[in-house]
Amino acid sequence: QSVLTQPPSVSGTPGQSVTISCSGSRSNVGSNLVYWYQQLPGTAPNLLIYRNNNRPSGVPDRFSGSKSGTSASLAISGLRSEDEADYYCATWDDSLRGHYVFGSGTKVTV
Amino acid sequence: QVQLKESGPGLVKPSGTLSLTCVVSNGSITSSNWWTWVRQPPGRGLEWVGEIYHSGSTNYSPSLQSRVTISVDKSKNQFSLKMTSVTAADTAFYYCARDPRTAAVAGLSPWGPGTLVTVSS
Repeated sequence: QSVLTQPPSVSGTPGQSVTISCSGSRSNVGSNLVYWYQQLPGTAPNLLIYRNNNRPSGVPDRFSGSKSGTSASLAISGLRSEDEADYYCATWDDSLRGHYVFGSGTKVTV
Repeated sequence: QVQLKESGPGLVKPSGTLSLTCVVSNGSITSSNWWTWVRQPPGRGLEWVGEIYHSGSTNYSPSLQSRVTISVDKSKNQFSLKMTSVTAADTAFYYCARDPRTAAVAGLSPWGPGTLVTVSS
């Protein structure tokens, strides 16, 4: 069981917007920066959002991240077929000497 | 561009030891990065295994730390994962990744392509 809770799936039609939530606690999301990873089918994960709301070079501005308290969100606007993938939030957890934790993952279907 | 590539046996017997290596190319393992292992059972989510800095400092997942050792070989520009007493529950794709924690752009990036390790007799 992951300490970061995400909805198992979200879906939308092309052009729509969807939001993925990531719920944690004070020891993880509430105290640390959040990252988002996109995993296309059959491939390794790829960094999508870093430090809550920043996009690495090459990531379209259709993707945006935010954080408030012990929750974070990933928004995808102008949904495209190539956005169909699994998405994971992640952050550091300060408990038990500190360790990195991933969310449970959300499958986005377009 | 830094590239990572995992290698190791694809099949390990139950109660045996899983050993994987991640070779870093187009970059130095002694740069200011943490080097990470992540695993993913087929069809399931990501699980952080642990990380190492080139100085030898390590952090491990609390649920795995009693069985896991991560080491670095600066002469070969690679780092390794050893996991003892494996069971079928350790069957997974194993990925290595770089974590430039204090850089302008942080987060696990890049990742290796991953390697599937199956625990079976």
